[in-house]
Amino acid sequence: GQNIDQPTEMTATEGAIVQINCTYQTSGFNGLFWYQQHAGEAPTFLSYNVLDGLEEKGRFSSFLSRSKGYSYLLLKELQMKDSASYLCAVRVKNTGFQKLVFGTGTRLLVSP
Amino acid sequence: SQTIHQWPATLVQPVGSPLSLECTVEGTSNPNLYWYRQAAGRGLQLLFYSVGIGQISSEVPQNLSASRPQDRQFILSSKKLLLSDSGFYLCAWNPDRAGTEAFFGQGTRLTVV
Repeated sequence: GQNIDQPTEMTATEGAIVQINCTYQTSGFNGLFWYQQHAGEAPTFLSYNVLDGLEEKGRFSSFLSRSKGYSYLLLKELQMKDSASYLCAVRVKNTGFQKLVFGTGTRLLVSP
Repeated sequence: SQTIHQWPATLVQPVGSPLSLECTVEGTSNPNLYWYRQAAGRGLQLLFYSVGIGQISSEVPQNLSASRPQDRQFILSSKKLLLSDSGFYLCAWNPDRAGTEAFFGQGTRLTVV
């Protein structure tokens, strides 16, 4: 089966840096995605990793270690609008089909 | 450019009534299509995915079914809703290529009363 774990909730202060971890155990790994979801809205894409290492995109960076089944999302210079849930998703490919499997998400609360 | 439409945005239905949620994608062909459900404060649970017309894979046993009558149309149905079917339903699509993210519809908030 597929198993993806993230912390349930995190808090941080405006202007700080926060790291959200994701560990996964899947078969047929074919990439890892991070999404942001504000309450009541659809998830929006943040980042994608398929090879080991760090991908940087402005204030957001994502890291992947395939051998460890581990990823993190790093948010710098936190803003109040970054308060949202952050979803880790693994793309798995089995018998020719690809699908996205999501973790339960990490709710981030940014305070002034 | 590609867009995804999902409707309705909100729905209140009595227990035992039928359900039909529709999702269509424009600007692409042969997309992978997905239905997810999100319970309050929870993550996204994959319900169904489809790689082509008439090809549906179910992830979890449940009171729901899905159909793909056309290449860019994905329908989620139920014959008799249960209270436990309440949740936020999201349709998504992605091209069948490695390295492409999924794009989500606006979601349907379903409340079964």
